[in-house]
Amino acid sequence: DAGITQSPRHKVTETGTPVTLRCHQTENHRYMYWYRQDPGHGLRLIHYSYGVKDTDKGEVSDGYSVSRSKTEDFLLTLESATSSQTSVYFCAISEGQVEAFFGQGTRLTVV
Amino acid sequence: GQQLNQSPQSMFIQEGEDVSMNCTSSSIFNTWLWYKQDPGEGPVLLIALYKAGELTSNGRLTAQFGITRKDSFLNISASIPSDVGIYFCAGQLNPGTASKLTFGTGTRLQVTL
Repeated sequence: DAGITQSPRHKVTETGTPVTLRCHQTENHRYMYWYRQDPGHGLRLIHYSYGVKDTDKGEVSDGYSVSRSKTEDFLLTLESATSSQTSVYFCAISEGQVEAFFGQGTRLTVV
Repeated sequence: GQQLNQSPQSMFIQEGEDVSMNCTSSSIFNTWLWYKQDPGEGPVLLIALYKAGELTSNGRLTAQFGITRKDSFLNISASIPSDVGIYFCAGQLNPGTASKLTFGTGTRLQVTL
């Protein structure tokens, strides 16, 4: 394993509530990413970070925000959860520009 | 957004058979990666390809970076039960930036004894 821990692993939340998912790495990698995985879509990039306090949007960033105050932690926040955000969320890390290593995922259900 | 077309979507094979799957894109990629995902787990990197025409092996797995830069192939020889899972291709479009990968929709492989 590449030293990536996601928490929580499972969460059920109500529509309209804020939700924060955490990704913690012990590899001191520069880049961190949040992807969501949905049937028929593969994995799609939500946001990524290229350093502390440096973040940028991915393909499906609407309704999500991120923060990275320390190298090892990357937080994904759903500002007001909707049913369309029910998904499996994966954090990934990389040191270089190519190979990304993934965490075990967080299954989020919005009811 | 851009999407990679991966085929087949699923396949049933018998143990010992060889497997082939491919990934195509309407745009050029500079790097191709192949990942495998087991149930309840995150994707695990199998092979990375960096140059057009490159052929790379990892045990029973062989992958090729298409010469046009718009496709890639993964072959698994002599399949075994633990090969079961979902295989994803991924491409990176822009070198010099973070590893923003575009993923295919996956090939689900099931192996029968």
